Amino acid sequence: GAVVSQHPSRVICKSGTSVKIECRSLDFQATTMFWYRQFPKQSLMLMATSNEGSKATYEQGVEKDKFLINHASLTLSTLTVTSAHPEDSSFYICSARGRDSSTKETQYFGPGTRLLVL
Amino acid sequence: LAKTTQPISMDSYEGQEVNITCSHNNIATNDYITWYQQFPSQGPRFIIQGYKTKVTNEVASLFIPADRKSSTLSLPRVSLSDTAVYYCLLFSGGYNKLIFGAGTRLAVHP
Repeated sequence: GAVVSQHPSRVICKSGTSVKIECRSLDFQATTMFWYRQFPKQSLMLMATSNEGSKATYEQGVEKDKFLINHASLTLSTLTVTSAHPEDSSFYICSARGRDSSTKETQYFGPGTRLLVL
Repeated sequence: LAKTTQPISMDSYEGQEVNITCSHNNIATNDYITWYQQFPSQGPRFIIQGYKTKVTNEVASLFIPADRKSSTLSLPRVSLSDTAVYYCLLFSGGYNKLIFGAGTRLAVHP
């Protein structure tokens, strides 16, 4: 299957600082990218959807000024958590949709980024 | 709101076949049924995707009846490493969003 990478895999930051998480589709062009958040023992919660070159669409309750999403190319999307606070500590997972070598469209997920805000 | 319903948890033993059934009564014509596996602190891993009848790959089979209102993921001869959460989702491509439900927590015992 197709590969989606995320960087960093884990990050610890001080409250009030900003953190950027990168998501790349390595062997296919992603028509759409998604960002999810997952708290312990819970399922994934969709935060936003982004298409290359256009503004992201945020889910209800997700602050767009706090979670800045940039989808600069068909293979790269970034999520910036601005002025992070301890309650933003979570597991952030990106996902990319596109066609891999089988030409069938599906959605693949990155390995996730563990964010801890002190 | 998730469009699928699965059992919250299942238990099995090494070497057994495990079948996880998912209900999707309101499946749309252009929806594909997609299953993911997730281990703790990892992103979901794509397992299998199908539209109708039966799909098989190197790790699982997916059975879909004619009315497509349910589907069954079959894992042959599970091992301890198959202990994970399994999610059933409906995927229709384009701008359709994948909304996750609670998934099925499978525990494989020695």
